[in-house]
Amino acid sequence: EAGVAQSPRYKIIEKRQSVAFWCNPISGHATLYWYQQILGQGPKLLIQFQNNGVVDDSQLPKDRFSAERLKGVDSTLKIQPAKLEDSAVYLCASSSRLAGGSYNEQFFGPGTRLTVL
Amino acid sequence: AQSVSQHNHHVILSEAASLELGCNYSYGGTVNLFWYVQYPGQHLQLLLKYFSGDPLVKGIKGFEAEFIKSKFSFNLRKPSVQWSDTAEYFCAVSGSGNTGKLIFGQGTTLQVKP
Repeated sequence: EAGVAQSPRYKIIEKRQSVAFWCNPISGHATLYWYQQILGQGPKLLIQFQNNGVVDDSQLPKDRFSAERLKGVDSTLKIQPAKLEDSAVYLCASSSRLAGGSYNEQFFGPGTRLTVL
Repeated sequence: AQSVSQHNHHVILSEAASLELGCNYSYGGTVNLFWYVQYPGQHLQLLLKYFSGDPLVKGIKGFEAEFIKSKFSFNLRKPSVQWSDTAEYFCAVSGSGNTGKLIFGQGTTLQVKP
């Protein structure tokens, strides 16, 4: 079974530039998550999709971050304009749902390491 | 507030030593608990999980964890570590029947000396 795919793996930009990350979840997983992991910390959820609808974006800095999952499969996370504090690893994860409706374990992609100069 | 606290930030052990990594959580309601591991250069992968039932759960590579509800803890253990266990370990919690959102601890870096 193919895992969660992400690209690019690394990105270096200057502050105030824009950047986009792409994620392709495991086939059949309706739930997709984007996490931000700052060095020395655990991942923090930015946004969660169920199919193409947003379930939770309470931690997403909406003035500069946006995300979409138009066809309910691939997803794109964008930052515009980037700030120095956005330097982090951006992780995509996906999961299926269990028979009772609760969420199964999440499978993570390799992440995109963003450096903002 | 929902949070996860991992007691040790950096642990150094010799091969064959026993391991216990502490994890405490603060979360209202019924929880699902997870330990994820990130080996050098690799992505996060699930080590073990607790959803319900037997509070002692066994995972891959000889790891186990015990859920103690009264202590809000989910400590990870391994009786004898190997050099290949060198990695970063993350404890995480989500609410049962909730969105599935994971709240992670800050991670523990384990270094095993051969």
